[in-house]
Amino acid sequence: GEDVEQSLFLSVREGDSSVINCTYTDSSSTYLYWYKQEPGAGLQLLTYIFSNMDMKQDQRLTVLLNKKDKHLSLRIADTQTGDSAIYFCAETFSGGYNKLIFGAGTRLAVHP
Amino acid sequence: NAGVTQTPKFQVLKTGQSMTLQCAQDMNHNSMYWYRQDPGMGLRLIYYSASEGTTDKGEVPNGYNVSRLNKREFSLRLESAAPSQTSVYFCASSDQNTGELFFGEGSRLTVL
Repeated sequence: GEDVEQSLFLSVREGDSSVINCTYTDSSSTYLYWYKQEPGAGLQLLTYIFSNMDMKQDQRLTVLLNKKDKHLSLRIADTQTGDSAIYFCAETFSGGYNKLIFGAGTRLAVHP
Repeated sequence: NAGVTQTPKFQVLKTGQSMTLQCAQDMNHNSMYWYRQDPGMGLRLIYYSASEGTTDKGEVPNGYNVSRLNKREFSLRLESAAPSQTSVYFCASSDQNTGELFFGEGSRLTVL
């Protein structure tokens, strides 16, 4: 079945780059997403990438997609303390609906 | 612009009690969802509604029922709460073009 895996924790120094990795199983996913969850809040869409793209850049964020290896990554340049949050990777379910399968989330901790 | 609104934000129940979580969206989205979030497990889909008048089971539907009351509202009911249902529940709706999910702020439920 569909599965999305990501490491649970990442710690970086303020100003460094963060790279959060994700692997997924459904090769027919049309979109792949990164969501951000701040403490006590719901998830908010950070960025997404079409499955026919290899890379998408949006200000400090760079998304890389390797379809062959079913690997998705999110790079945050110049990481700030305000980037501390849980980041979820998600893929679309191939059952014909706009239904997402989420990974367990990577908790990013940014320290001075 | 309210987006997705869910109530209540917090609830404590005793085992065997029943309750209903309410959700409403004002974005004219066709699809709505209920997820639960547990530590280390990410978000798991309980039920979803692809359009008004239809509902379908997700990954973890046991112990829950849903009602798609109209296009705006999608409620989740626990008929006989169990401690295993202690979780944070998120309602979401999705943009039919991009699949982006819009989340409510969550409802923290504790079952004693």
